[in-house]
Formats: sequence, structure tokens, C-alpha cells
Amino acid sequence: DAGVTQSPTHLIKTRGQHVTLRCSPISGHKSVSWYQQVLGQGPQFIFQYYEKEERGRGNFPDRFSARQFPNYSSELNVNALLLGDSALYLCASSLATSSSYEQYFGPGTRLTVT
Amino acid sequence: GQNIDQPTEMTATEGAIVQINCTYQTSGFNGLFWYQQHAGEAPTFLSYNVLDGLEEKGRFSSFLSRSKGYSYLLLKELQMKDSASYLCAVRLDNFNKFYFGSGTKLNVKP
Repeated sequence: DAGVTQSPTHLIKTRGQHVTLRCSPISGHKSVSWYQQVLGQGPQFIFQYYEKEERGRGNFPDRFSARQFPNYSSELNVNALLLGDSALYLCASSLATSSSYEQYFGPGTRLTVT
Repeated sequence: GQNIDQPTEMTATEGAIVQINCTYQTSGFNGLFWYQQHAGEAPTFLSYNVLDGLEEKGRFSSFLSRSKGYSYLLLKELQMKDSASYLCAVRLDNFNKFYFGSGTKLNVKP
């Protein structure tokens, strides 16, 4: 079975621009979470979507938004990019039931803002 | 607010045992997770504790004390490939909202 896939792998953008990152979960997984990981830090929770509804949001500005599609894939959008948005963006998928606890991470998208 | 503390870096010798500690104070608790992350790669799941006690999984064991807000990851018979960052994370709710610590970088020496 295919794991979590993310695109693109790497991205270079300029301050003020907009970026869209994409994630396809493992087949059968209805939950997708997005994390931002700055070098040397742990992943920081941005959003979680389950059955196309936002179930959780971390402490990120409104420049960050996301959505989940009927096929459970997801997009993370970031507007008005800042230098500080440079990070590895990780997507994780899971069954997200009370008895299913494991989440599987994709390889990430490395975003560099110049 | 949420807070997870773990040591920044540790060094151990191949074949030895190492214990990585994690303390947490979070607004919710639905399990304590440990992930391994090699440089430049995504985190991979190692272990999960929701009840107090020790969970053993091969060379890796994890312990949880909910009353103390404390967990540790024990790695036995260290191998060079165990050099990685180890992330402690708390699942905050019944879905999958996780809060991660900053990670402990483990260096395994020959």
C-alpha cells in the first residue's frame, strides 16, 4: 500500500507570495493533520481535518488555511509568505478513532522563503 | 497552554542502554507517543502509552506516569542506526491533535 504522499518535495518562494501544499493520505484514512517543523524543533500542529471538517487548529495566523476534499486529500495554503514560514511542512494521516492512535507522516514539503 | 520538556541532546555508546525522559503539562491527555526522526526524514511511530506502566516493544520500551506527567523511552542494545532525534508527543483529544516536544538528539558512538 502507498504511504502518505506530499507534493511538491521542495519549494522556493519569495516573501509576500502564496503557496499551496498538497497531501494524499493512506487509503482508508479519513483524517489529515498538518504540521510545521522548523529546523531543530519538533513538529508544531497547524490543522486537523476529519471527514472534510476542521477538527482542530493550532496557534497559527489566519494566513494559514486548509481544506480536505471528498477523496480525503488535503491542501494547506499560506498567504503573504514571511521569511519565518521557511520550514518542513508535514502531513500525517490516520484513522482517527478513539481506538486507533497511530498517525503516519508523509515525507514533507521543504519550503524556503527568500 | 501546553508544555513538553525533554533533553536537547544525549550521547551514548553502541551496545549500551539509554533513557530519554519527557515531562508534560497539557490541557488534554489521550496518550503519550514517542517518534523517531532521522535527519531530513519524517517522524516514524515508536511507541504509545495511555495507561500507567511500561510498554515493551523489542529493543524499545516506554513508561508513563500520568499523575507525575512523566514518560521515558528506553533504548537497549544501542546500534549506530539509532542515532536520530526522539520526539515525545501528547495526543490531546479523541481525534489526532498532537502536541510535540522539541525532540532529543541521540548520538550513538562506536
